[in-house]
Amino acid sequence: NAGVTQTPKFRILKIGQSMTLQCTQDMNHNYMYWYRQDPGMGLKLIYYSVGAGITDKGEVPNGYNVSRSTTEDFPLRLELAAPSQTSVYFCASSQRRGTDSNQPQHFGDGTRLSIL
Amino acid sequence: RKEVEQDPGPFNVPEGATVAFNCTYSNSASQSFFWYRQDCRKEPKLLMSVYSSGNEDGRFTAQLNRASQYISLLIRDSKLSDSATYLCVVRYGGATNKLIFGTGTLLAVQP
Repeated sequence: NAGVTQTPKFRILKIGQSMTLQCTQDMNHNYMYWYRQDPGMGLKLIYYSVGAGITDKGEVPNGYNVSRSTTEDFPLRLELAAPSQTSVYFCASSQRRGTDSNQPQHFGDGTRLSIL
Repeated sequence: RKEVEQDPGPFNVPEGATVAFNCTYSNSASQSFFWYRQDCRKEPKLLMSVYSSGNEDGRFTAQLNRASQYISLLIRDSKLSDSATYLCVVRYGGATNKLIFGTGTLLAVQP
């Protein structure tokens, strides 16, 4: 029962490099999210998607891009890595069932990214 | 003012103690409320949803006061394994199921 899978778990990048953080879920959830969590801080929403082909900005989207070509996958792209993007990145998914708004989000293990 | 505010702690309590965490939210349009638990260097995991009438799950009791925009979590008979950061989470209305996370309250249960 994989749930939400993120790769890689750790990565060190140089300033200006680019990379893609992968996220896939096997629960057939419509909704997917990317968050970042800085030390001692809450999770901040970067981007989210309500279904394949639909993405929208969250609270802190600058410096990131996403795509959602399939229900399962929601990759996060950093084009020009900056030290301010050093953080732990979490991908999450959830399902909305009718008017039931209490569907929880399921999180991946996280990707720890350092930009040096 | 932060949208979701929590006392960061740490709360250092002995095993068996009862401990309460509080959380306030600023947007009166908030519709759903949750407590998540996050262990050190791990992902957040849902602990429990919070319902208007209050709800209990074993040693954990959650309360919601919509008039005061206040949420609480009570843990009775604390265990060493309860040591973690507890995140207060609020969902606003709309179709996107976006959540707003508090910064968390750190609990350390001492033997």
